[in-house]
Formats: sequence, structure tokens, C-alpha cells
Amino acid sequence: GAVVSQHPSRVICKSGTSVKIECRSLDFQATTMFWYRQFPKQSLMLMATSNEGSKATYEQGVEKDKFLINHASLTLSTLTVTSAHPEDSSFYICSARDQKRYTQYFGPGTRLTVL
Amino acid sequence: AQTVTQSQPEMSVQEAETVTLSCTYDTSESDYYLFWYKQPPSRQMILVIRQEAYKQQNATENRFSVNFQKAAKSFSLKISDSQLGDAAMYFCAYRSYTGANSKLTFGKGITLSVRP
Repeated sequence: GAVVSQHPSRVICKSGTSVKIECRSLDFQATTMFWYRQFPKQSLMLMATSNEGSKATYEQGVEKDKFLINHASLTLSTLTVTSAHPEDSSFYICSARDQKRYTQYFGPGTRLTVL
Repeated sequence: AQTVTQSQPEMSVQEAETVTLSCTYDTSESDYYLFWYKQPPSRQMILVIRQEAYKQQNATENRFSVNFQKAAKSFSLKISDSQLGDAAMYFCAYRSYTGANSKLTFGKGITLSVRP
């Protein structure tokens, strides 16, 4: 089946630094990718929807200047957490939609810990 | 706006038995998709089953089947012959039929444990 990769799987950083997370669709083209945040034992919270070649659409309450999203190609989207703080520590999951099959596939997630 | 409700936070089932996970949703749309996703301890989201609202026939995937009641806006998942590997968090999700950017709306999820 279709695979979505995410890198890194885990990252620990100091408060104030920026962290970039990559999301790649490995065997299909994804014009639309989604970024989610998930706290333990809770559901996925959609942060933003990214479209290849255009600006991302952010959900209400998500700071677009803090969570920078770039969808530069049909197989790659990146999320950069700028000036990270401990409250940004969470599990971040990306998802890519296969337009041909109308199916959404999820990456394995990235655990971010900000010290 | 669409909402998805999973009212049971936890369920438990004996290995080899059958369990049903409940999900209701609210929408004013007539065409949409419904999904069940599984999230095991690895936290990788896995698509279990998908149902198109225009299809009257309930979707099935091996041991997994759904009971889709469109008028009642109910979409339950039945797991037959439960296995230890079925232990996970399960999320019910809704997506509009139209629009390339249509988003998945998730329920809160239910944690399923399987007793050996």
C-alpha cells in the first residue's frame, strides 16, 4: 500500500530553537497534505492543510508564524516549529492524500520534546 | 459543521470474541465518506475500513465490518474473532465527498483492549 514517511521520528531540542519535520509520500503524488498534533490518549487535531505550490490553510487557533508549512513538491511537505517552547512538545503526524484513490495515508509521526 | 461522536472511551473483548465499536455523526450533507482508523501503540494510523455514503451495502474487510445506518447517522465497527493485535485506539472519521481539500473530522477515539 501507499507509504508516507516522516523524519525525524523523534527530536529533542532546547527552548528557543527551531525544528523542521519532513513528510514525504513515497509512491504517489500528493497535492494535499495535512499536519496534525496529538496529545496522549487524545484524538488528532488538525493544524493545517497544505497544498503544493500555495500557502497552507491553518485551523483556527494555530499560529501560522510559529508553525511554518511548506509544500514545495508533490511528494514533500515540511513543518517547521519556530522558537519552540516546552508547550510545543507533542506528537506531530502528517498525512498525504492520494488524489487518484481519494485515500488519505498517515506518516508514522514525530515526537517533539522541547526542553 | 460536521461532528463525530464516539461516546465510549474504552472497551474490552476476550480473544476470539466479537466486539462492536460505536460511532455517530452529524452532517447536513448527503454524500460523504466514513472511515475507521486504528492506532496501535506504535501510533501509526492505519486505515481499517472505508464506507461511501451513497453505497447501501456495508463495507467489509476480512474480520472487520461496519453497520452503516445513514438515516440514523450511525457507523459502528464490528471486529470478529478478535486477536491480540487488534488492541489499539480506534478512531471514527468523516470526510465530505466533494472538495480536494476536504478534511477528516475525527471522533475522540476508543481504546480497545483484548484479553488473552
